Amino acid sequence: QVQLVESGGGLVKPGGSLRLSCAASGFTFSDDYMNWIRQAPGKGLEWISYISSSGSTIYYADSVKGRFTISRDNAKNSLYLQMNSLRAEDTAVYYCARERCSGGICHRVLGGYFDLWGRGTLVTVSS
Amino acid sequence: DIQMTQSPSSLSASVGDRVTITCRPSQSIRNYLNWYQQKPGKAPNLLIYAASSLQSGVPSRFSGSGSGTEFTLTISSLQPEDFATYYCQQSHTTPPWTFGQGTKVEIK
Repeated sequence: QVQLVESGGGLVKPGGSLRLSCAASGFTFSDDYMNWIRQAPGKGLEWISYISSSGSTIYYADSVKGRFTISRDNAKNSLYLQMNSLRAEDTAVYYCARERCSGGICHRVLGGYFDLWGRGTLVTVSS
Repeated sequence: DIQMTQSPSSLSASVGDRVTITCRPSQSIRNYLNWYQQKPGKAPNLLIYAASSLQSGVPSRFSGSGSGTEFTLTISSLQPEDFATYYCQQSHTTPPWTFGQGTKVEIK
């Protein structure tokens, strides 16, 4: 069925690294823009990164710029988030989310919405 | 960055009540406003996109309206399964895209 499944979360020390994966199934992954969104415990949602369908366009939130790297492998239907120099404030549930636009597949950056989410993977940064 | 302010932050309501949540961006975002519902321990679920379009499969008691700098999410008759936290999100211009702080709807 149509789904996203995140993996790779866990406990890591401050300054450490982690790589999250998001496996897509049930739809043509290579057509879609993808995003990572996180939620700290008891807090709201924070968008952190976007990647276009081909991987040619990427954006980051200022809070993770220079430390996190988003990538995708369309042949493997997978999205990734490499997280380096982790801090306590990066502790959160990390969700991958598909982005769609009115009419279906997005063809421009603005105006999208997150119509499919994974269940999330918990990243805990603590010594 | 565009700041999104939701009000109220929380509310108590009874089954059958009409509930309205407001979202105000710090600048005009045309109609690039989406609403999500999140239940504890679950991923968010898209309710409304482009300010007023109902996502497939979402009950018709949910509706959205507004444009520019003021938007509302209305639940016409609150049901037990609607007790959750609701977030607005803007997708105007290039990222960063931002969410409101959330509105928790609780049982009175």
